Amino acid sequence: QQQVKQSPQSLIVQKGGISIINCAYENTAFDYFPWYQQFPGKGPALLIAIRPDVSEKKEGRFTISFNKSAKQFSLHIMDSQPGDSATYFCAASSSKSDSWGKFQFGAGTQVVVTP
Amino acid sequence: DVKVTQSSRYLVKRTGEKVFLECVQDMDHENMFWYRQDPGLGLRLIYFSYDVKMKEKGDIPEGYSVSREKKERFSLILESASTNQTSMYLCATRAPEKGMGRAFFGQGTRLTVV
Repeated sequence: QQQVKQSPQSLIVQKGGISIINCAYENTAFDYFPWYQQFPGKGPALLIAIRPDVSEKKEGRFTISFNKSAKQFSLHIMDSQPGDSATYFCAASSSKSDSWGKFQFGAGTQVVVTP
Repeated sequence: DVKVTQSSRYLVKRTGEKVFLECVQDMDHENMFWYRQDPGLGLRLIYFSYDVKMKEKGDIPEGYSVSREKKERFSLILESASTNQTSMYLCATRAPEKGMGRAFFGQGTRLTVV
């Protein structure tokens, strides 16, 4: 069973629109929540990350919103561009010593931005 | 920039063959991981290693083994390849910042077992 549940599975958005991807987790030991972006034929690469001591983090057009009480976090892509078309994965990890730096990944969301 | 290099982009192997997937990193990271990526299932952890000769099972280790004889190299071994092991395999390292280190991925190996 997946420890991090991601939705939607796919998303089509017009250029200039907002893309929103949601993730939920159960393990309260998780304390680091990154988002990875993957283009076809490439490995995933870190896009943006957040720790649970803040509720929002923004980097350019990308924003993570974090709701600790609901155990949910989301990625917002503002002013979506065709170059943002990719697969996005949310992830979570724990800094506790018995986790050995493992990430748990969501199932991924394929985002297509139409011109 | 961290480089994680996987030895093959594409592989086609026959059922029952022993398959080796090689991964090399150039940043002296202790933690290395093997994931498989399947549509709708995301990235699932097969094995990981936090030091030379140390290994731990991930979430789906059945049918796989690993080897880490040198810090920079982490190999995934399919003892007897089966068609349900057709997948994209991704090697990763993780930077050592406790709890916050980012993962660096290789470009992936697309394995087809026929």
